[in-house]
Amino acid sequence: SQQGEEDPQALSIQEGENATMNCSYKTSINNLQWYRQNSGRGLVHLILIRSNEREKHSGRLRVTLDTSKKSSSLLITASRAADTASYFCATDGSDYKLSFGAGTTVTVRA
Amino acid sequence: ETGVTQSPTHLIKTRGQQVTLRCSSQSGHNTVSWYQQALGQGPQFIFQYYREEENGRGNFPPRFSGLQFPNYSSELNVNALELDDSALYLCASSLLGTPLHFGNGTRLTVT
Repeated sequence: SQQGEEDPQALSIQEGENATMNCSYKTSINNLQWYRQNSGRGLVHLILIRSNEREKHSGRLRVTLDTSKKSSSLLITASRAADTASYFCATDGSDYKLSFGAGTTVTVRA
Repeated sequence: ETGVTQSPTHLIKTRGQQVTLRCSSQSGHNTVSWYQQALGQGPQFIFQYYREEENGRGNFPPRFSGLQFPNYSSELNVNALELDDSALYLCASSLLGTPLHFGNGTRLTVT
């Protein structure tokens, strides 16, 4: 079973537009992370937000965390063709083991 | 610094056989985790090794086993392969409690 669930499952946007995806989880967490995966390759860490943080930025990425609703969102601004990938949220509790959601597949059209 | 490398990249096995997948951790990392990713799904945690000891296990049967060596490289062994074991197997290294650095995985097909 997976701790996190991303929404939507798939997203198609025009280059230059923003992409927003959401993640909901079930149990309390230490932190929440977002990873990107290009077509069957390994995952790449994007950003980590701690349970006592509400918002974090990294370049064109903005992550929010609402622990009362057990949810997070990832915003990618001014999307590029290279942003085409699957995006996963991952949560961990006290045992450092990450639980991943099923992912959001983002397609950026030129 | 050298990233996480996995071998082989692709593998085809027959049901009932055994397989060993290998992973070389990123330099300086003392923790290795293994994940199974079925097509269209997110990675599922198999187990984690910290300083050569198993440090947690997901919901996988005992025929999935692993090792971590003193140089922090690692192996994943799967016995009595089943068709449902067909997946991308991902190795990730880290310092304990920090973000994971993933290899590109081994694609295992069981026929």
